[in-house]
Amino acid sequence: NAGVTQTPKFQVLKTGQSMTLQCAQDMNHNSMYWYRQDPGMGLRLIYYSASEGTTDKGEVPNGYNVSRLNKREFSLRLESAAPSQTSVYFCASSEPGRQPQHFGDGTRLSIL
Amino acid sequence: RKEVEQDPGPFNVPEGATVAFNCTYSNSASQSFFWYRQDCRKEPKLLMSVYSSGNEDGRFTAQLNRASQYISLLIRDSKLSDSATYLCVVNMLNDYKLSFGAGTTVTVRA
Repeated sequence: NAGVTQTPKFQVLKTGQSMTLQCAQDMNHNSMYWYRQDPGMGLRLIYYSASEGTTDKGEVPNGYNVSRLNKREFSLRLESAAPSQTSVYFCASSEPGRQPQHFGDGTRLSIL
Repeated sequence: RKEVEQDPGPFNVPEGATVAFNCTYSNSASQSFFWYRQDCRKEPKLLMSVYSSGNEDGRFTAQLNRASQYISLLIRDSKLSDSATYLCVVNMLNDYKLSFGAGTTVTVRA
């Protein structure tokens, strides 16, 4: 039982490159989330998907796009990476309005 | 002002000691409160929910003070394995979004 799976676990990009972070959950949850975590900042919500077919901006959406591919998968895309996007990215899932949110083990992204 | 604020610590305590710390939240409409635990370079995991009347889970006790808008976590008989960062998390009713504090680091020494 994998829970929430994120790929890749580590990535180094050059400024201006693009990439997609993948997230899949096998708990049949309706809601999925993307967060970034920076030192001293706590987790900040980038985008979320309350249910399949819907996506909404969170606290820090600029520079990112998302796709809720199906109920299981929710991807995060950086179209033109910037050094300010160096961070640890976590995907999470939950039932809507109910907790807890279950987190993947993160993607550590460095942009040079 | 941040929605959720925590003392970053670190709180360095010997094994067997009691350690307690608070978290304040700014939105009085907040309805749900949680403590998550995050080990170094790992994902956050739910430690416990915080109920209005306060609640215990083994050595962990959580309290909510709505009037002063803070929640607390107390760890009794600290173990080495309790060393982690504890995240305070707040949610408003029917809101999908959680607000996370930056975390309080606890280090338990032998």
